[in-house]
Amino acid sequence: AIQVTQSPSSLSASVGDRVTITCRASQGIRNDLGWYQQKPGEAPKLLIYAASSLQTGVPSRFSGSGSGTDFTLTISSLQPEDFATYYCLQDYNYPWTFGQGTKVEIK
Amino acid sequence: QVQLVQSGAEVKKPGASVKVSCKASGYTFTAYYMHWVRQAPGQGLEWVGWINPNSGGTNCTQKFQDRVTMTRDTSISTAYMELSRLTSDDTAVYYCARSVAHRALDYWGQGALVTVSS
Repeated sequence: AIQVTQSPSSLSASVGDRVTITCRASQGIRNDLGWYQQKPGEAPKLLIYAASSLQTGVPSRFSGSGSGTDFTLTISSLQPEDFATYYCLQDYNYPWTFGQGTKVEIK
Repeated sequence: QVQLVQSGAEVKKPGASVKVSCKASGYTFTAYYMHWVRQAPGQGLEWVGWINPNSGGTNCTQKFQDRVTMTRDTSISTAYMELSRLTSDDTAVYYCARSVAHRALDYWGQGALVTVSS
């Protein structure tokens, strides 16, 4: 199975900060990676698919980039509602695998 | 609007089985794959498998291959995941989520907590 290593596992940031989260796949996965946001007690929500495509209704401060093995989720200006845990998911081949998650906390 | 509504919380004893349902509405049920993802308390997300509601074909991770059964009833737009021989390690929230072909999970159910305890 493809391993997906996500970093950092947690970070503290302030409202307005630029935040970057990375995922590295153990082999090339083209652009077959998505990013999800999960708030406590809620189901995950799709933010980005195909590495860089913004899901309908998701604010434009979220962006994704990368291809092959290295991928990045960027939040350009962190808002209060963005404090959550973020996961990447490779959907290149089965079994699909998630990154370990990044918890974004308030500084 | 697209909705996935899951069955309620369950408490099971070790060795038992559990069957979680996921009722879809707001779209053509047979046009999208349905996936299952679980999350143990305080842990990350783990992909379990998918069912093709059109054909009934399934695929799941090797870890669950001999314990998980995914089915569907197209007449009521509902997918099911049954997990057998439960242990305490199976205590988790189980989510259903649909995908467009084999790409991304764009809508999720609210989750169903399964607790395995003697």
